[in-house]
Amino acid sequence: GNSVTQMEGPVTLSEEAFLTINCTYTATGYPSLFWYVQYPGEGLQLLLKATKADDKGSNKGFEATYRKETTSFHLEKGSVQVSDSAVYFCALSPPPTGANNLFFGTGTRLTVIP
Amino acid sequence: NAGVTQTPKFQVLKTGQSMTLQCAQDMNHEYMSWYRQDPGMGLRLIHYSVGAGITDQGEVPNGYNVSRSTTEDFPLRLLSAAPSQTSVYFCASSRRRLAGVGDTQYFGPGTRLTVL
Repeated sequence: GNSVTQMEGPVTLSEEAFLTINCTYTATGYPSLFWYVQYPGEGLQLLLKATKADDKGSNKGFEATYRKETTSFHLEKGSVQVSDSAVYFCALSPPPTGANNLFFGTGTRLTVIP
Repeated sequence: NAGVTQTPKFQVLKTGQSMTLQCAQDMNHEYMSWYRQDPGMGLRLIHYSVGAGITDQGEVPNGYNVSRSTTEDFPLRLLSAAPSQTSVYFCASSRRRLAGVGDTQYFGPGTRLTVL
């Protein structure tokens, strides 16, 4: 079946610290992989995505690389800011064509302190 | 563009009541879906639609009903509310998946539902 396992939170970091949030997946076929972010009181919004092996998604200083050999899609950022405080969700979208369903991890709450 | 809109933002129901959560999008997206978000469980898919007149079940469809009469609207109906349906509900839309590649989904702001 399809599932996503995500690093448990919460994570608290000081401003300018390095961030890694681990994500591994189980899927049939070749899924597309996503990181979504949820700021307080809001819906989810796409942070970055990768659609095939070895692709690197990047946005706002965040990066994640689609690693098929380790079935992983870890999120990284070199220097976090207070404004990055949010809940981060790893997700996958499996084949077939047509549907665009997402399977989510449990989410990781990040708090960045000044 | 308003994107994906949801109403109401908050709702309190008593056990056994029914209600409809509204969702609309103005991006001409074919794909729409409903998720529920529960603490420690991420988001789980309730129902989805790949176009007007076509709906299908997701992971947790029991107790919910949907229909898709237009491209823009995708309401979610709770037939007889139960406390286990207390959750935050998100509607999302996207283009249909093409060539095996998942597309970006756009989420509404959510509806927080409490069933007493």
